[in-house]
Amino acid sequence: AQSVAQPEDQVNVAEGNPLTVKCTYSVSGNPYLFWYVQYPNRGLQFLLKYITGDNLVKGSYGFEAEFNKSQTSFHLKKPSALVSDSALYFCAVRDASSSGSARQLTFGSGTQLTVLP
Amino acid sequence: ETGVTQTPRHLVMGMTNKKSLKCEQHLGHNAMYWYKQSAKKPLELMFVYSLEERVENNSVPSRFSPECPNSSHLFLHLHTLQPEDSALYLCASSQASGNYNEQFFGPGTRLTVL
Repeated sequence: AQSVAQPEDQVNVAEGNPLTVKCTYSVSGNPYLFWYVQYPNRGLQFLLKYITGDNLVKGSYGFEAEFNKSQTSFHLKKPSALVSDSALYFCAVRDASSSGSARQLTFGSGTQLTVLP
Repeated sequence: ETGVTQTPRHLVMGMTNKKSLKCEQHLGHNAMYWYKQSAKKPLELMFVYSLEERVENNSVPSRFSPECPNSSHLFLHLHTLQPEDSALYLCASSQASGNYNEQFFGPGTRLTVL
C-alpha cells in the first residue's frame, strides 16, 4: 500500500521569505513523487515530479522539492515567496513497482499556503 | 480549446434528480480519471479508464456511474445522491503508457446536493 501525509493544514509565510510545504510518504518500493497546486476555483496544476536521479528537483514558478529517501520526505520549497503563491498544495506518490490497477497516484489532504504581504 | 474541460462548472440538485457531469480532454491522452475533492481530505480516486479498461474504487457508491465512450470524453452519471456527496468533482487525463506521466486536471464541477 502507498500513502502520503501532509502534516500541516495551513502554512503562513511573509512575502519575500523562504517557504516550505512538508510531505512524507510510504511505499513498499521506490517512489514516484509529485507536487500539484490548486488556485481558487481551478483544477490541480502540475508543479514538479521526482522519478530518479538528482534529489533536488526544480519545477514551475521557481518551486523546487528535495527528495530525502532516509526520511521518506519530499518537501516543497521556494527561496522567496510571492503573494500570488497563495494556494492549496498537494503532494502525491506512486509506487514505482506497482502495476495494473495499482498504478494510481495517492494524494495527500493538501496544505493551504498563505503568503502575507 | 486546449487542456481538460468540464461542464457544468456548478450544479445544484435534489436527492431525487438525475444529472450527468461531462469531461473532455484535448491532449491526446488515453487515460481519464474522476476524483472527488472534499475539504481537508485527500483527493479520492473514484474511477479510471485506461486503454479502454475500467478501474474503480470499490468504496464508491453505485449512485455514481461512469461512462467513457472514447478516449477524449468521460461522463459521471448521478442519481439519488445524498447531501454528503456535495463536493468538487475533478476530471483528469494522462498517457496510460509509461510509468510516471503526470495527470492534467480540469477545473472541476462544484456539486451541491440539497
